Amino acid sequence: QVQLQESGPGLVKPSETLSLTCAVSGYSISSGYYWGWIRQPPGKGLEWIGSIYHSGSTYYNPSLKSRVTISVDTSKNQFSLKLSSVTAADTAVYYCARPEGYWGQGTLVTVSS
Amino acid sequence: QLVLTQSPSASASLGASVKLTCTLSSGHSSYAIAWHQQQPEKGPRYLMKLNSDGSHSKGDGIPDRFSGSSSGAERYLTISSLQSEDEADYYCQTWGTAWVFGGGTKLTVL
Repeated sequence: QVQLQESGPGLVKPSETLSLTCAVSGYSISSGYYWGWIRQPPGKGLEWIGSIYHSGSTYYNPSLKSRVTISVDTSKNQFSLKLSSVTAADTAVYYCARPEGYWGQGTLVTVSS
Repeated sequence: QLVLTQSPSASASLGASVKLTCTLSSGHSSYAIAWHQQQPEKGPRYLMKLNSDGSHSKGDGIPDRFSGSSSGAERYLTISSLQSEDEADYYCQTWGTAWVFGGGTKLTVL
């Protein structure tokens, strides 16, 4: 059974960097598939942030590209998200997912001083 | 640029069937999509991968009431024998070097 679990601070101050980690169990990230981050502002739809292929290649939403970094730690079987210079508009539930099959349960990140 | 278009809302009666549509933008009719369900106050759940030829593979534990089909640039999700717990938002998605989500369809079970 493949499981994804997000972790990280639930509150980030404006202008700081949001950092989240997605721990994957039941499947080795380096074995295949795309893995990525998606967010959902309160009451709104799903927005792709960025993703990483099992080969290590990364891809970002052009609207967020200047602020996003996604990295992978194969030794821990997890991948991470960093979003810099956050504002209140970045307040959302953040999910990690593998499109062909699995989602994390999501974590609410609030940007506020 | 790939765009996925979904109707904002749909409704059907308890026990009936409903067919939701996701339309791929011009030039992308060969793309596979994924369907996801998001029940109120919950995270999304993967339903199935749907190919352009209509073949589909469902996620773990997804009931037989959920099925997919395709016609040209249209991708369909059919839910039969509607139950109250099927009331949810349904999203279609493509993935690859860019991921795209449709705007979602809010399904109301009457």
